[in-house]
Amino acid sequence: AQSVTQPDIHITVSEGASLELRCNYSYGATPYLFWYVQSPGQGLQLLLKYFSGDTLVQGIKGFEAEFKRSQSSFNLRKPSVHWSDAAEYFCAVGPNPNLNFGNEKLTFGTGTRLTIIP
Amino acid sequence: DAGVTQSPTHLIKTRGQQVTLRCSPKSGHDTVSWYQQALGQGPQFIFQYYEEEERQRGNFPDRFSGHQFPNYSSELNVNALLLGDSALYLCASSQNGGPKETQYFGPGTRLLVL
Repeated sequence: AQSVTQPDIHITVSEGASLELRCNYSYGATPYLFWYVQSPGQGLQLLLKYFSGDTLVQGIKGFEAEFKRSQSSFNLRKPSVHWSDAAEYFCAVGPNPNLNFGNEKLTFGTGTRLTIIP
Repeated sequence: DAGVTQSPTHLIKTRGQQVTLRCSPKSGHDTVSWYQQALGQGPQFIFQYYEEEERQRGNFPDRFSGHQFPNYSSELNVNALLLGDSALYLCASSQNGGPKETQYFGPGTRLLVL
């Protein structure tokens, strides 16, 4: 069964500092990986996704993530955080779409809450 | 272009009651998935509807049921509510047939069971 681990429950960084949120997955084949962000009272917004190809993926709002198969990781990074980045971040895995027709279920991690201090 | 909309935004019920939550997908989307997000947890997949049929189901009891209408909107029904059903219920829509199609999430319905 597929699973996602986000080892950091809560991270605090200063505005302007760099950020890395960790994500490890367990999946028997090539996964389809996502990062979503959830602000208070909001739904989930997709930041970026990895399907195949270049292992460094660029997303919205200046975020990027790197897929490392050998480490089963898909860590999210941002070089300089803004106060508006304070939110809950979720990593998710889905089955390789080449193997399954249609949109299969996403399995989410438990999330990392990001706090930004001035 | 409206995104995914859900109603109501908040709901309070008592144990044993039944509840119906509603979701309208993003324009052009024909697939709807439902997720339950308990406090402090990530969303958990309940089920997915396509062509008015349940296509895939997560590890949820039969008390959780759904429906999809011809206009692709969907309902989530929960019977015999338990305290543990208190959660944020998220609806996500996507376009079937595209393996790389993104699931777009609505703002959710927060259900409190007393």
